[in-house]
Amino acid sequence: ETGVTQTPRHLVMGMTNKKSLKCEQHLGHNAMYWYKQSAKKPLELMFVYSLEERVENNSVPSRFSPECPNSSHLFLHLHTLQPEDSALYLCASSQEIGTGSDIQYFGAGTRLSVL
Amino acid sequence: GQNIDQPTEMTATEGAIVQINCTYQTSGFNGLFWYQQHAGEAPTFLSYNVLDGLEEKGRFSSFLSRSKGYSYLLLKELQMKDSASYLCASMDSNYQLIWGAGTKLIIKP
Repeated sequence: ETGVTQTPRHLVMGMTNKKSLKCEQHLGHNAMYWYKQSAKKPLELMFVYSLEERVENNSVPSRFSPECPNSSHLFLHLHTLQPEDSALYLCASSQEIGTGSDIQYFGAGTRLSVL
Repeated sequence: GQNIDQPTEMTATEGAIVQINCTYQTSGFNGLFWYQQHAGEAPTFLSYNVLDGLEEKGRFSSFLSRSKGYSYLLLKELQMKDSASYLCASMDSNYQLIWGAGTKLIIKP
């Protein structure tokens, strides 16, 4: 099994749809992250969870709603998205936040297109 | 503000050496990371530097100068499979990674 698994790999949705992205990590890590990656732009941190509690929310619009039911699973619920939300959404996990050498391990991402 | 600068694209020849530079300005500093990302794939960790100097790991080496806010990734004996984007990220005082936009490396035969 790969360390961090994301599903689906590709998603096309209309602006009125509701969908969810799923992330699962098999590394025994305590922290999980959602990032947005747009073409030729830096990764944008969206949400951070540590031991299932949200510790960071970088001014993300409410149409993105995260959920972390346990330390191995992370969801991103999507509703009434805009075309500019089309991007690659990456999930990552790390052993624990708050240490300098904490390496983040990424999933392959979900390529989202909003029509 | 916080900022990471790296070249948008570089081209190199198979078998050669290439150096990808990164300059950073972050609120505090807890280390500099390099990741590799092939098209359509997950970013994968390459290196971490927190002290000045050169860290060598096989064909890849990473250098850090904290006083200059500067790092580079050195790739030797380039192979076609090294064609990818290389992401530089600085960890700030809140242990949050601040990312550059990535350098797309094209390897030609």
